[in-house]
Amino acid sequence: EAGVAQSPRYKIIEKRQSVAFWCNPISGHATLYWYQQILGQGPKLLIQFQNNGVVDDSQLPKDRFSAERLKGVDSTLKIQPAKLEDSAVYLCASSLGLPTDTQYFGPGTRLTVL
Amino acid sequence: GESVGLHLPTLSVQEGDNSIINCAYSNSASDYFIWYKQESGKGPQFIIDIRSNMDKRQGQRVTVLLNKTVKHLSLQIAATQPGDSAVYFCAEKHTDKLIFGTGTRLQVFP
Repeated sequence: EAGVAQSPRYKIIEKRQSVAFWCNPISGHATLYWYQQILGQGPKLLIQFQNNGVVDDSQLPKDRFSAERLKGVDSTLKIQPAKLEDSAVYLCASSLGLPTDTQYFGPGTRLTVL
Repeated sequence: GESVGLHLPTLSVQEGDNSIINCAYSNSASDYFIWYKQESGKGPQFIIDIRSNMDKRQGQRVTVLLNKTVKHLSLQIAATQPGDSAVYFCAEKHTDKLIFGTGTRLQVFP
């Protein structure tokens, strides 16, 4: 079974530029999550989708971050404009959909903002 | 508030010894706990989980203990191997949200 796929793996941009990350969850997984992991810290949830609807985006900085999952499968996370403090690893995870279902993580995208 | 913390940022153990990684959580309403392993350059990998109605659960070479009285979670790894070297996170689930702690780095030396 293929795991969660993410691209790109690495991205370097200058502040005020925009960037987009892509995630392809495990086939059949209804729930998709985006996490931000700052160096030395645990992942922090940014947004959770159930199929193509947003379940929780309370910790998403909506003035600069946006995410979509239009067809309920792939998802993109965008940052515009980027700030220095956005440097982090952006992790995508997916699960079948029940609260105790295991979340499977992708390898992440390491973003460096200069 | 909702927070999950770990007692030790780095744990060094000799190959073959047992490892114990500890975690304190603050939300007594959390009903599900998970341990994840994260190797360098990879995403977190599920190790083992435990529900709040249990106090112990065993897997292959790993055991998770939950003490709800003191809100403490531990991960025990038997016969630690070099491949166990990674950062270990405990996470608690409350209202369908997974909250991760800071992590403990496990270093295994020969």
